[in-house]
Amino acid sequence: DQQVKQNSPSLSVQEGRISILNCDYTNSMFDYFLWYKKYPAEGPTFLISISSIKDKNEDGRFTVFLNKSAKHLSLHIVPSQPGDSAVYFCAAILMNRDDKIIFGKGTRLHILP
Amino acid sequence: EAQVTQNPRYLITVTGKKLTVTCSQNMNHEYMSWYRQDPGLGLRQIYYSMNVEVTDKGDVPEGYKVSRKEKRNFPLILESPSPNQTSLYFCASSEDRGDNEQFFGPGTRLTVL
Repeated sequence: DQQVKQNSPSLSVQEGRISILNCDYTNSMFDYFLWYKKYPAEGPTFLISISSIKDKNEDGRFTVFLNKSAKHLSLHIVPSQPGDSAVYFCAAILMNRDDKIIFGKGTRLHILP
Repeated sequence: EAQVTQNPRYLITVTGKKLTVTCSQNMNHEYMSWYRQDPGLGLRQIYYSMNVEVTDKGDVPEGYKVSRKEKRNFPLILESPSPNQTSLYFCASSEDRGDNEQFFGPGTRLTVL
């Protein structure tokens, strides 16, 4: 049973436009969410996070939105740049419980020139 | 330079031959974790450790062992590797809990024949 779902395996966006990556989860007890970015032949790198008590967190070009009632979060990248082409993973954590981290399958983002 | 190192980076072995993948971090992090990345399955947590001598199973612990005798090291042990353990493995560490930004190692590509 997949608890964190990224239903789009890939996404192509024109350079300069907005990229929106989506993530759905099934466990309403998740209370912390993170996004990681991964280039080929490298380990993932942390991008941005959000606590379940918030609905938005912004860091430069990256904004994460959390809709708890829909169990949905999204990552917005504005404006998209060529260096944003990578695989993006969302992850969810149950804090104060077992501290396991559940990752989605990832979405490959292609930024088109 | 703050980093997570893994060795070896690439390994081809045969079924049943015990192997160890080392992981070391120089950031004095308490939380360390092992993941495997497989096509279509994203990142899955194998084992994690909240501190020295404290280890817990992640989502896919079968066939793996870990130890945390020192804060900086978190080796992954495959006592009797099988072909279904062919994968890309990542070690990661974070300051205390998994909800903090995790720093990932460069990955170890393991092939079990």
